[in-house]
Amino acid sequence: EIVLTQSPATLSLSPGGRATLSCGASQSVSNNYLAWYQQKPGLAPRLLIYDASSRATGIPDRFSGSGSGTDFTLTISRLEPEDFAVYYCQQYGTAPSTFGQGTKVDIK
Amino acid sequence: QVHLVQSGAEVKEPGASVKVSCKASGYTFVSYGISWVRQVPGQGLEWMGWISGYNYRTDYSQKFQGRVTVTTEISTGTAYMELRSLRNDDTAVYYCARVRWAADAFDYWGQGTLVTVSS
Repeated sequence: EIVLTQSPATLSLSPGGRATLSCGASQSVSNNYLAWYQQKPGLAPRLLIYDASSRATGIPDRFSGSGSGTDFTLTISRLEPEDFAVYYCQQYGTAPSTFGQGTKVDIK
Repeated sequence: QVHLVQSGAEVKEPGASVKVSCKASGYTFVSYGISWVRQVPGQGLEWMGWISGYNYRTDYSQKFQGRVTVTTEISTGTAYMELRSLRNDDTAVYYCARVRWAADAFDYWGQGTLVTVSS
């Protein structure tokens, strides 16, 4: 199965700052079928980005995804207070679908 | 408005089975599939299996093959996930999520169901 490695494990930033989260795959992600999710404590994950760079319905444009093959990035251009959360990447191009271990974005 | 509403928390003894339900509303049930994902407390997300919304086709993670069954009841727009031979390390929050097809991102999620396995 494809192993996804997210870095860093924790990112400490201030509101208004720029967050850059990385997701590396152990082999190429088919069709760039890579998604990003946000999860807050006690809640289900929320889809932010699918197909590596397409924003899901209702997601603000400060969230953007990029990358292809084995290297992907989620960028949050200007952190709002509600953006402090854990972020997961997921590949769904090769069965079984797998997730990264998460990056926590917390307030500096 | 799409909603996936899951059944309530369960406490089970080791060796027992649990069946979690996921009732969908706000969309045409047969046009989408349902995947099941679990999250051990404080840890990451793990895909368990998927079922088509219209032809009952399923796919399972090899890790859970033989222990998990996902089904649907089209008449009520409800999906089910049954996990058998429960162990202590099956204690987790179990989520259902909507997908267009087997290889797809999960665009809507249920609220999660905590299953606690303890003697």
